Amino acid sequence: KAGVTQTPRYLIKTRGQQVTLSCSPISGHRSVSWYQQTPGQGLQFLFEYFSETQRNKGNFPGRFSGRQFSNSRSEMNVSTLELGDSALYLCASSLVNGEQYFGPGTRLTVT
Amino acid sequence: QQPVQSPQAVILREGEDAVINCSSSKALYSVHWYRQKHGEAPVFLMILLKGGEQKGHDKISASFNEKKQQSSLYLTASQLSYSGTYFCGTQPPLSSNTGKLIFGQGTTLQVKP
Repeated sequence: KAGVTQTPRYLIKTRGQQVTLSCSPISGHRSVSWYQQTPGQGLQFLFEYFSETQRNKGNFPGRFSGRQFSNSRSEMNVSTLELGDSALYLCASSLVNGEQYFGPGTRLTVT
Repeated sequence: QQPVQSPQAVILREGEDAVINCSSSKALYSVHWYRQKHGEAPVFLMILLKGGEQKGHDKISASFNEKKQQSSLYLTASQLSYSGTYFCGTQPPLSSNTGKLIFGQGTTLQVKP
């Protein structure tokens, strides 16, 4: 089975712009979770989508949003980018019991 | 509430053992363990669902004390390939069986020849 894929792998944006990241889960996985990873804050939960509905949400501002499509693919959007949004964004898919499989991540740099 | 991992870092020689602890101030439904190598995505190691549950995978095993809200990861006879950062991810009861994990800050393990 193919693993979790994320596109793009690298992205450079300017403050104030917006960005959309994409995640394709493992076939058959209906849950997709998003995490932000930074050296200072570690791995922080953003949100989770299951069957096209947001099931869980972390403590991030409303500039961070996401959605899930009927084929379980998910996108996350960050509007009005700030320098502090520079991070590795990881998505993970799971089948049951929250056992998660991570994609390679998208490295976002905000200048 | 983020779980606390200890130690923050550990250096071992090949063949030595290590224990990584994960402690939460809140009730837990499950504990997950992941290993991340530099520049790579976290890789799932194991999940512990019941208090007192222990699991093993090759020479890596873990235990979960539900009452103490603690989990420990045991690495026996460490190999060079064990090097990386280990994260515990916790699920409170309200988030059971969902994709929400709260991760500890990580423990960096370095195995030297």
